[in-house]
Amino acid sequence: EIVMTQSPATLSVSPGERATLSCRASQSVSSNLAWYQQKPGQAPRLLIYGASTRATGIPARFSGSGSGTEFTLTISSLQSEDFAVYYCQQYNNWPPTWTFGQGTKVEIK
Amino acid sequence: EVQLVESGGGLVQPGGSLRLSCAASGFTFSSYAMHWVRQAPGKGLEYVSAISSNGGSTYYANSVKGRFTISRDNSKNTLYLQMGSLRAEDMAVYYCARQSGTWIQEYYFDYWGQGTLVTVSS
Repeated sequence: EIVMTQSPATLSVSPGERATLSCRASQSVSSNLAWYQQKPGQAPRLLIYGASTRATGIPARFSGSGSGTEFTLTISSLQSEDFAVYYCQQYNNWPPTWTFGQGTKVEIK
Repeated sequence: EVQLVESGGGLVQPGGSLRLSCAASGFTFSSYAMHWVRQAPGKGLEYVSAISSNGGSTYYANSVKGRFTISRDNSKNTLYLQMGSLRAEDMAVYYCARQSGTWIQEYYFDYWGQGTLVTVSS
């Protein structure tokens, strides 16, 4: 079973600053990695798929990078609406398995 | 507009059963694999189950295998999750989600419902 580990658990950032979130897979998932944003009381929303492709309607301040086992989500200049929990997810295996990281909470500093 | 609307959640005793539904609209339901993901109170996302577009293939997390059954009715544009032998640790918000496509590079979830809460308590 592939284990996804996100760091840090909590990231305190001031509005306008850059945020860098990490996600590590226990074995290679190629580029089959997605990032989701979840705000309190809401469903998750797809941000990034294929490790680096922004989903429809996602602002350019969100960017993803990495492949294999190491991945990064960067928010270039945090806006008030970006304070949320972010999850990575791998979808690489066959037979298919889907695994989420434990999440990184981005909070206002 | 793609919409996924879950229903069927509620209070159930340990050992009991419950069936969740997810009504889909705004897309050709029969063309997409579908999933269930859950989130215990204050916790992260946990993958639960998947079903292929025609219902011929299903997948389960080890934590629910043998107790939960995923199914779909493409004539009704509805996804189901039959949950049995429920335990306290099954208490969560259950989300249905659409898989983006059929190739492995498309196995991420592009649309999610708002979720339905399952409470397991005596």
